Amino acid sequence: QKEVEQNSGPLSVPEGAIASLNCTYSDRGSQSFFWYRQYSGKSPELIMFIYSNGDKEDGRFTAQLNKASQYVSLLIRDSQPSDSATYLCAVIRSGGSYIPTFGRGTSLIVHP
Amino acid sequence: DAGITQSPRHKVTETGTPVTLRCHQTENHRYMYWYRQDPGHGLRLIHYSYGVKDTDKGEVSDGYSVSRSKTEDFLLTLESATSSQTSVYFCVTGPSMNTEAFFGQGTRLTVV
Repeated sequence: QKEVEQNSGPLSVPEGAIASLNCTYSDRGSQSFFWYRQYSGKSPELIMFIYSNGDKEDGRFTAQLNKASQYVSLLIRDSQPSDSATYLCAVIRSGGSYIPTFGRGTSLIVHP
Repeated sequence: DAGITQSPRHKVTETGTPVTLRCHQTENHRYMYWYRQDPGHGLRLIHYSYGVKDTDKGEVSDGYSVSRSKTEDFLLTLESATSSQTSVYFCVTGPSMNTEAFFGQGTRLTVV
């Protein structure tokens, strides 16, 4: 079982809808959580990070963290075709190594 | 954008030849990582460094070695390239523990 799990998708949503992307992790002591967006043929770019339980909002994006249930999610409001990409969840575990562990990513398709 | 430069960006090489990929950063980040990205596997850690001359193995380190003689440079060497090492390689850097990671542009390596 991979330490960071994501549904590979594709997740297809209509333009203007809310896209909900989910990620679960196995290490209960994980400390830091990140969402990256990767367009085809490009390198991942950071969208958001979250460290504490609850919601964190940045423009159309909201990250949600629930450490008790060991999941982190990303909501994209008013989805646009330009949001079509693969979204990677990354977790930094406890234990001193501070190595980002990535999920395999969820492909999001926003159709007009 | 973080100043992370990978070279070469594309390379085709023959089985059995040694190959070195270079990562150069101008951000003075302490942590540097080499990942490979493959369909169905996502990003997997090859080696990482937490300081000059301080390196350690990741989950897929067999057949690879690294060196870091200066803060800004992290080299990945494939000692004798095999077709299974055909992949996209990303250099990733981080300024400190628990913070976001920044990606280089990636190197697409094909071993024929």
